[in-house]
Amino acid sequence: SALTQPASVSGSPGQSITISCTGTSSDVGGYNLVSWYQQHPGKAPKLMIYEGSKRPSGVSNRFSGSKSGNTASLTISGLQAEDEADYHCCSYAGSDTYVFGTGTKVTVL
Amino acid sequence: QVQLQQSGPGLVKPSQTLSLTCAISGDSVSRNSAAWNWIRQSPSRGLEWLGRTYYRSKWYNDYAVSVKSRITINPDTSKNQFSLQLNSVTPEDTAVYYCARDILNGDTEWGQGTLVTVSS
Repeated sequence: SALTQPASVSGSPGQSITISCTGTSSDVGGYNLVSWYQQHPGKAPKLMIYEGSKRPSGVSNRFSGSKSGNTASLTISGLQAEDEADYHCCSYAGSDTYVFGTGTKVTVL
Repeated sequence: QVQLQQSGPGLVKPSQTLSLTCAISGDSVSRNSAAWNWIRQSPSRGLEWLGRTYYRSKWYNDYAVSVKSRITINPDTSKNQFSLQLNSVTPEDTAVYYCARDILNGDTEWGQGTLVTVSS
């Protein structure tokens, strides 16, 4: 079943926020294969973090990823207005399948 | 620059088959290290991985358990594209459907998305 994310997280400009993504030992906890996507309304998801903590070329270093046990986390530091979007985690789930998170709406106050 | 261009009908009747195509430019559906995925998104279910096709000396498919009995993903090497067929659709299958390359590594690319509504 879907990975669990908080429905919403908010912060003021310049602050740091962290979004959690909780799964099980069969997905998040079992592999170092978690990606994080940013999605603005009406747009396709954009990759922000892959393999837990790696940033694709062109993604700001304000975005960072980590994992502890069955929970992966995405931290956005120095929050900016343009970071307001939905964020989705995705993990390998074994048996050649993948699972997404429930999604988190980030609001910049 | 890789681009994935989706096409297909936006309205499908209940019990019929949903069919979408994803045309690839700038890459090859047969490349030995890529995998080609279909994902959908609805307000009630969020993002949901549906399945993938990939070539490793022969063709393989993997499907999500939730749709395994109804889904087929096929490559078309002559047109450098891949397709999604979802049978026996219901209104629950109404969603934005995306095709994508390699969703878990840094080389991912996504199509533009296609809203498919299941309604009579």
